[in-house]
Amino acid sequence: AQTVTQSQPEMSVQEAETVTLSCTYDTSENNYYLFWYKQPPSRQMILVIRQEAYKQQNATENRFSVNFQKAAKSFSLKISDSQLGDTAMYFCAFMKLEISGTYKYIFGTGTRLKVLA
Amino acid sequence: GAVVSQHPSWVICKSGTSVKIECRSLDFQATTMFWYRQFPKQSLMLMATSNEGSKATYEQGVEKDKFLINHASLTLSTLTVTSAHPEDSSFYICSAEIPTTHGAIFSYEQYFGPGTRLTVT
Repeated sequence: AQTVTQSQPEMSVQEAETVTLSCTYDTSENNYYLFWYKQPPSRQMILVIRQEAYKQQNATENRFSVNFQKAAKSFSLKISDSQLGDTAMYFCAFMKLEISGTYKYIFGTGTRLKVLA
Repeated sequence: GAVVSQHPSWVICKSGTSVKIECRSLDFQATTMFWYRQFPKQSLMLMATSNEGSKATYEQGVEKDKFLINHASLTLSTLTVTSAHPEDSSFYICSAEIPTTHGAIFSYEQYFGPGTRLTVT
């Protein structure tokens, strides 16, 4: 069974600084997708960034980038120039295609990030 | 962009009653929707996969007779919590699956609703 581990329950960073959130996962699959989602106090889940396992190049979205190490099964999120609005719970998620034909997500336990003014 | 709504956003019900939560895809059709449960300060746990026109697929440990799921149209899935108990109090989130293409690769992504907070007294 697939598992997703986020070893940092809480983190804080000064505004404008850079922070890295870690995520490791366990799978025997070769084709899968990884995501980082942000859940602000409103509880609305917002997609931050996506990585396809077949791609060697790390995904980037403006201030957000990932360090995807497939052999190590590691998928960390780097937030550059942190802003107060980045304060939220961040979930790492693993998605794969099930035999049933459905794509399923498995979420990590989350990292609560607080950006300090 | 893809928008998913949930109604109600917050509901309080008495023990023993039933409550229905709606999940709608507003600007797209969703063959597949998902229902998650999130306890305070915890992660999202998948409860079931809702397929339009067919029975839902429940995850292990989820009581299908207690959490009734109906996906009667391509834009609406409902979750009914029957005979609610205080331990059913939680935050329920739905998501809708939408096909995506990245380059030549086809897959899916999930778009999430804003969630429904259920409190059973």
